[in-house]
Amino acid sequence: DAKTTQPPSMDCAEGRAANLPCNHSTISGNEYVYWYRQIHSQGPQYIIHGLKNNETNEMASLIITEDRKSSTLILPHATLRDTAVYYCIVRVAAGNTGKLIFGQGTTLQVKP
Amino acid sequence: GAVVSQHPSRVICKSGTSVKIECRSLDFQATTMFWYRQFPKQSLMLMATSNEGSKATYEQGVEKDKFLINHASLTLSTLTVTSAHPEDSSFYICSALDPYEQYFGPGTRLTVT
Repeated sequence: DAKTTQPPSMDCAEGRAANLPCNHSTISGNEYVYWYRQIHSQGPQYIIHGLKNNETNEMASLIITEDRKSSTLILPHATLRDTAVYYCIVRVAAGNTGKLIFGQGTTLQVKP
Repeated sequence: GAVVSQHPSRVICKSGTSVKIECRSLDFQATTMFWYRQFPKQSLMLMATSNEGSKATYEQGVEKDKFLINHASLTLSTLTVTSAHPEDSSFYICSALDPYEQYFGPGTRLTVT
């Protein structure tokens, strides 16, 4: 699976959009970009995933560049409860039993 | 969404004893489950892949005789830490595939004294 690079930490003001970047320059054509987050002392929570088109769900939006070498997770209106470690993971998806390999992630601190 | 539970949520044991952690998929069947370990301020590290009815596949560097994994049914996988030592103290997290996405349990905090 391709490796990802994320900034170690970011701050965001409550109510503002949080934009979390991820670089995955060695991504293969059949690999998806997944985002999970982990709130302190809990199990990771799935947020969103995509292949090449932008995706949106009730939690977030995922913007993937045209060359697929990077992506941005957007939390449109961050709240204090969004403070967590966010993990960007690249892996083969459909029909697989693919492992999720976690990197160091980005610690997002939402401040009042 | 799919729910995964773990039991116990916290356990304290004495050095040399064995501890069993259960991982259950509550509203779906999972032929594949995963076990992770997380030390303080570190990321999750995949320990092994558990497949129902067959032997688990361990990641490089993980002692299979120390971390026994059993996946006897489609809703239950267990991790037994045998002869636990203080260095085994960690946060153990399981996940289950439903059918292509992984859903994580809340984790088990193991402290070995």
